[in-house]
Amino acid sequence: EDQVTQSPEALRLQEGESSSLNCSYTVSGLRGLFWYRQDPGKGPEFLFTLYSAGEEKEKERLKATLTKKESFLHITAPKPEDSATYLCAVQETAGNKLTFGGGTRVLVKP
Amino acid sequence: GAVVSQHPSRVICKSGTSVKIECRSLDFQATTMFWYRQFPKQSLMLMATSNEGSKATYEQGVEKDKFLINHASLTLSTLTVTSAHPEDSSFYICSARAAGTANYEQYFGPGTRLTVT
Repeated sequence: EDQVTQSPEALRLQEGESSSLNCSYTVSGLRGLFWYRQDPGKGPEFLFTLYSAGEEKEKERLKATLTKKESFLHITAPKPEDSATYLCAVQETAGNKLTFGGGTRVLVKP
Repeated sequence: GAVVSQHPSRVICKSGTSVKIECRSLDFQATTMFWYRQFPKQSLMLMATSNEGSKATYEQGVEKDKFLINHASLTLSTLTVTSAHPEDSSFYICSARAAGTANYEQYFGPGTRLTVT
């Protein structure tokens, strides 16, 4: 059974204080690893897809990386508007469904 | 691009009644749509996967007769919560995967908050 564990559960940062979120996964065969951002009371917003170990993707202050066992989401010089819950999900090669981790709640203080 | 809408955004209903939630892909066709529920401060739990024109596939523990899913077209899927009870109160979110692409991203709707009184 696929397993996805995110850490830490919550992260409080000062504006400008860079940090990284971790997503560890166990899957029989990885089709893709997905990062989403979710604001309170809203649906997840797609950020990145990573397909193979060594792959990296960037969008503004966010950078996602992937190894065979985990993914990191690096937030560089965060701003208050980066406050959200960040969700990681994996899809195995055998199916369509996403298995989500528990998420990391990020709060960036001005 | 890749916009998914849900209607209604909020609904309050009485115990024992049924509620229908619509999920539409606005600017793309979706062969596959997914329905999730999310409890406060928890992650998303997949309820079912629906493919256009065929029966939905439900996850273990999800009652098929209680959560009726119809995927009648490439842009519309509906979830009907039948004989709703307070324990069905939750945040229901749909997602859609674009047809005819090599990408596997799922694009999510804004969610529907269901409160059963």
